[in-house]
Amino acid sequence: DTAVSQTPKYLVTQMGNDKSIKCEQNLGHDTMYWYKQDSKKFLKIMFSYNNKELIINETVPNRFSPKSPDKAHLNLHINSLELGDSAVYFCASSHLGTGVSNTIYFGEGSWLTVV
Amino acid sequence: GIQVEQSPPDLILQEGANSTLRCNFSDSVNNLQWFHQNPWGQLINLFYIPSGTKQNGRLSATTVATERYSLLYISSSQTTDSGVYFCAVEPFNTDKLIFGTGTRLQVFP
Repeated sequence: DTAVSQTPKYLVTQMGNDKSIKCEQNLGHDTMYWYKQDSKKFLKIMFSYNNKELIINETVPNRFSPKSPDKAHLNLHINSLELGDSAVYFCASSHLGTGVSNTIYFGEGSWLTVV
Repeated sequence: GIQVEQSPPDLILQEGANSTLRCNFSDSVNNLQWFHQNPWGQLINLFYIPSGTKQNGRLSATTVATERYSLLYISSSQTTDSGVYFCAVEPFNTDKLIFGTGTRLQVFP
């Protein structure tokens, strides 16, 4: 009954490969996010989708392509992986708007290592 | 863009001690949340607190929005409180949370 679940939890892959991370939330939220946490623990938003529509797209290389088949799922596909892509990728969800229902919930993270 | 600074960057405590973590932000915000990232990497939501004071057990938080800061108080700290504490703010009209630099807390028995 995990609220925000992402798979895989760990991923080790070679440079140049293409990989995907999947995320699902069962909280009934209308908005989902991808965040990246680097080796210095700094957390930065990458993308946000509201009801399957892209609403935030930070300055992320276009090798990263999010896809939201429905409002409960947000997947992240990464092409031509580079060493600098090694990080922990967190999926999250919330309701859009103000108020305590705007609280954001995070998945457990996906540890990506590019060798 | 908005700057979110947290202090201290590192904090070492003995079990039972109290502590105060601070979050300063450079512009008005719609939303402020505190998170705890445990040693296993999980991000746990502690408080949704754009203004005012809230308490949850040994933890409490206060946000003074007009002065652009928030404080997280941890009383009678336990080893399980170890980890990194983040505040995150949502500037007006952005719909995105900007995370602070974090405070790494280590509590020793």
